[in-house]
Amino acid sequence: AQSVTQLGSHVSVSEGALVLLRCNYSSSVPPYLFWYVQYPNQGLQLLLKYTSAATLVKGINGFEAEFKKSETSFHLTKPSAHMSDAAEYFCAVSEWGGSQGNLIFGKGTKLSVKP
Amino acid sequence: NAGVTQTPKFQVLKTGQSMTLQCAQDMNHNSMYWYRQDPGMGLRLIYYSASEGTTDKGEVPNGYNVSRLNKREFSLRLESAAPSQTSVYFCASRGGLAGDMFGPGTRLLVL
Repeated sequence: AQSVTQLGSHVSVSEGALVLLRCNYSSSVPPYLFWYVQYPNQGLQLLLKYTSAATLVKGINGFEAEFKKSETSFHLTKPSAHMSDAAEYFCAVSEWGGSQGNLIFGKGTKLSVKP
Repeated sequence: NAGVTQTPKFQVLKTGQSMTLQCAQDMNHNSMYWYRQDPGMGLRLIYYSASEGTTDKGEVPNGYNVSRLNKREFSLRLESAAPSQTSVYFCASRGGLAGDMFGPGTRLLVL
């Protein structure tokens, strides 16, 4: 069965510093992978997705993620954190690979940005 | 184009009361989903509907029922609410490879 592990339930960075949020997946089939962001008291918004095309995926708000099959990872990065990036971030994998099946979510990583 | 809408935004229930959470999407998506979100647990799938007229159980279906009323609407019903159902509930819909679109959520407190 597919699964997702997000390392670190809380990450704190200074404004202007690199943001790195870790996601490892387990999948028996070629996965589709997603990163979502949730701002306080709001729903989830899609940041970016990997659908087996380019391994480096660029998303909204300056975020990007790299699919590394050998490491079964899909870490989210942003070169320079902004106060507005403070939110909770969720990694997800498609249940049956490709675009099929439901999404399996990680438990989330809360990002704090210090001034 | 409102995307995915949910009503109500907030609700307080007493144990044993019933209620229906409403969800509607205007993107002509086939698939719709109900999740619950609890602190430290991420999102867990309650029920989903792959197409109009079909519904299936997700990871945590106990205590819930759903109805796919038409292509636009997918409701979640709690027949006899329990404190363990205190949570934030999200509806989502899917349109191809674009990723799932989420509604703003319903915060439910069961006393």
